Amino acid sequence: GAVVSQHPSWVICKSGTSVKIECRSLDFQATTMFWYRQFPKQSLMLMATSNEGSKATYEQGVEKDKFLINHASLTLSTLTVTSAHPEDSSFYICSVPTPSGLTYEQYFGPGTRLTVT
Amino acid sequence: GQNIDQPTEMTATEGAIVQINCTYQTSGFNGLFWYQQHAGEAPTFLSYNVLDGLEEKGRFSSFLSRSKGYSYLLLKELQMKDSASYLCAVRVPDSWGKLQFGAGTQVVVTP
Repeated sequence: GAVVSQHPSWVICKSGTSVKIECRSLDFQATTMFWYRQFPKQSLMLMATSNEGSKATYEQGVEKDKFLINHASLTLSTLTVTSAHPEDSSFYICSVPTPSGLTYEQYFGPGTRLTVT
Repeated sequence: GQNIDQPTEMTATEGAIVQINCTYQTSGFNGLFWYQQHAGEAPTFLSYNVLDGLEEKGRFSSFLSRSKGYSYLLLKELQMKDSASYLCAVRVPDSWGKLQFGAGTQVVVTP
């Protein structure tokens, strides 16, 4: 399976600034990665699918101009939260799907806690 | 789309058994996953069911009935460390493993 890291593990930023979160697949070449967001005491909500070498595909209701995704290599996807606001404060988690038999197993990164003040 | 329902919270005592139910309505079915998530951490994989029946893995078992759109996760011999949120997730067909998650069930284990 894939080992997935995220950086930073937590970040505090001021309202109006931009924050970049990195997701790395350390031992698996990932053409696809997923980005999720989780608010306190809620479940994971899929934000977008990151595709290596092409544009990300966003879920309904997710602003693509606000959450910029770049998947420039087979091991790295970045999520940039632009012009962050307090309501963007959340736990952001990436995952790497790897083939496993007839399906895909998801390997999750440890998550990044974003607090916007 | 997918609609996934599971109870919000369950409480049980140490050493007991707890069953977490999950019902789903989906357009197509490609498998159901259960994950455990401790507060502030990423989810960890527990089980995967794609065919009807029971899958047992140590103290954890998962059951699936595709005709009923129903699954459950059974936790036996509960330990304090089992206090966590348990997430039911359905794989979205033709999607490179994209998952749709239920809201999660918070299990509280008491002494």
